[in-house]
Amino acid sequence: DARVTQTPRHKVTEMGQEVTMRCQPILGHNTVFWYRQTMMQGLELLAYFRNRAPLDDSGMPKDRFSAEMPDATLATLKIQPSEPRDSAVYFCASGRDTGGARDNEQFFGPGTRLTVL
Amino acid sequence: GNSVTQMEGPVTLSEEAFLTINCTYTATGYPSLFWYVQYPGEGLQLLLKATKADDKGSNKGFEATYRKETTSFHLEKGSVQVSDSAVYFCALGPSGYSTLTFGKGTMLLVSP
Repeated sequence: DARVTQTPRHKVTEMGQEVTMRCQPILGHNTVFWYRQTMMQGLELLAYFRNRAPLDDSGMPKDRFSAEMPDATLATLKIQPSEPRDSAVYFCASGRDTGGARDNEQFFGPGTRLTVL
Repeated sequence: GNSVTQMEGPVTLSEEAFLTINCTYTATGYPSLFWYVQYPGEGLQLLLKATKADDKGSNKGFEATYRKETTSFHLEKGSVQVSDSAVYFCALGPSGYSTLTFGKGTMLLVSP
C-alpha cells in the first residue's frame, strides 16, 4: 500500500531556530505539493514541484521558507528562522501528472505538526 | 479565478440521519471535482471524485454528482455513522493543471 511519508510527525522548537521537514512521495509520482493547515486560514498551498522542478511557490513567505527536491524520492521544506506564527500542520502530497490528463488526484501524507514557542 | 465554497460547519447529526454538505465552485473550462475527508490527526484522503459533467462519484456510501448547470458538487450519504465524524473538503482541479483549489472544510459530528 503506497503512501506518502513525512518526518518528523511532531516538532517543537523555539523561535529563531531552523526547522526542516521531509517528505517521501509515492514512488512513480512526479508532482509534489506542500500545504500548511491552520484553524484560521484553512489549507494553503505553499509550493509545488513537477519532475523535481519548482513550478509555483507564490504561497510561501520567501524570506524564511524554502522548498527543494534533492532527488525524486525526497522533498524538503525549511523554515529559517522560525517564528511562532509558523505553528501549523504542514502536509506534503504527491500525484501523477501525465500531461493533459483530467485526473488531478493528490495523495496526502500524515503531516508534520509544528509548534514554535 | 478558481474558487470553492462549502457550507460552514459544524454539521451535527444523529446516527443514521441523512447528510448533505453543499459545495459550489467557480472555474473556467471543465475542472475535475473531488471530496476529501480528514479524520482527526490524519492527512486528507480522497473520498470520491468526478471528472466531467453529470458524473457521479461514490465511495463508502457517500455520493456526489457533478452538476455543471448549477456549478455544484454536493456530498450526500443516506445514513451516517459515528465513524463518519471528520472534516470534509470539496476541491476543484482545473483542466490541464496539477493543482487543487480547496474549500475551507466542513466538520461533521455524528452522535450515537
